[in-house]
Amino acid sequence: DVKVTQSSRYLVKRTGEKVFLECVQDMDHENMFWYRQDPGLGLRLIYFSYDVKMKEKGDIPEGYSVSREKKERFSLILESASTNQTSMYLCASSKGQRFYGYTFGSGTRLTVV
Amino acid sequence: GQSLEQPSEVTAVEGAIVQINCTYQTSGFYGLSWYQQHDGGAPTFLSYNALDGLEETGRFSSFLSRSDSYGYLLLQELQMKDSASYFCAGGEGDDKIIFGKGTRLHILP
Repeated sequence: DVKVTQSSRYLVKRTGEKVFLECVQDMDHENMFWYRQDPGLGLRLIYFSYDVKMKEKGDIPEGYSVSREKKERFSLILESASTNQTSMYLCASSKGQRFYGYTFGSGTRLTVV
Repeated sequence: GQSLEQPSEVTAVEGAIVQINCTYQTSGFYGLSWYQQHDGGAPTFLSYNALDGLEETGRFSSFLSRSDSYGYLLLQELQMKDSASYFCAGGEGDDKIIFGKGTRLHILP
């Protein structure tokens, strides 16, 4: 069964910590995405990548960075976690330049205290 | 700005039909897709309309009208397990998609 795997289901971090969220897909998809989901705000795009070592800013990149050293892995980094980054983080992948559907990971619920 | 608008909540009765509408304003529109998300779960892809018209997948159908910047998801023979949030999503000019804020579907027995 093909899938997108996020390394942690729940995380609790302290303000100011550097946080790494990992995402791995086994579908040989070119495109990978990081979204955050908050009640009433839907899914908002943080960063995305169309290829290894390539990254593009989404709608809310501030306070985040990403790394894609291998095709199957896309990491989201919170440089200095803040309480307003408490959220559900969803990784997704898709094949090709036209979007015929994303496959999402199960999500990481991050709480920053 | 670029946005997709959909109702925040819809209520229907088990066994009935329900339609969830989505209107959009995006540049370089490539197509409309729909996702289902159960509480605590990840969004799962339901359907995609690249062209105008109706696409049917079992009990679910999706419709797109580019001239009206409008689409909908139609769910037939509703079952309790269809209680979930449904998101429409549309492509932007730089090939990334944005999501609507989601419609919470409540199903009454």
